[in-house]
Amino acid sequence: GENVEQHPSTLSVQEGDSAVIKCTYSDSASNYFPWYKQELGKRPQLIIDIRSNVGEKKDQRIAVTLNKTAKHFSLHITETQPEDSAVYFCAALGGGFKTIFGAGTRLFVKA
Amino acid sequence: DTAVSQTPKYLVTQMGNDKSIKCEQNLGHDTMYWYKQDSKKFLKIMFSYNNKELIINETVPNRFSPKSPDKAHLNLHINSLELGDSAVYFCASSQASSGVGDTQYFGPGTRLTVL
Repeated sequence: GENVEQHPSTLSVQEGDSAVIKCTYSDSASNYFPWYKQELGKRPQLIIDIRSNVGEKKDQRIAVTLNKTAKHFSLHITETQPEDSAVYFCAALGGGFKTIFGAGTRLFVKA
Repeated sequence: DTAVSQTPKYLVTQMGNDKSIKCEQNLGHDTMYWYKQDSKKFLKIMFSYNNKELIINETVPNRFSPKSPDKAHLNLHINSLELGDSAVYFCASSQASSGVGDTQYFGPGTRLTVL
């Protein structure tokens, strides 16, 4: 069945450093790849998304890249700040019309 | 204004009881969802409705029954609660019909604890 794998499960970086989270998906019909941020005790919220006809998208300090051939997509956060600390989920919308989420990456940004 | 709201926020109950969680969205969206987030934070789709019609029904026990009285509401009723049902349940909505990638707006979650 459809599957989204996300790595690493935990990531600790120093404030100001970059953070990279990687995901792979199994359904070649997937065409939409959102990233959600969930702070402790809060709801998931969309931070950036990318569609299958685009290879890269940037929004200030965050960027997402997509390699459809390899079925990989990645989230890049530059100049990390303590408020970036949260759980980040990648997701893929597949041909079955449902969004499959990765298992999440817990990001710690140390001041 | 709260875009997607859920009630109750916390629910503590005994095994075997029946309970309901309510969800409402005021965004005018066509599609609503229920997700279960377990203790390891894994988010799993349970159900999705588009314009009051069930379009996604994952392998969820029959004890879980969603109901959509109108496209702004999607409630979740759970019969004969079990310990393994303890989790945070998130409602979400999106504008487009399922199959078209669009932002999902999540409710605040309902933390269900079954004793």
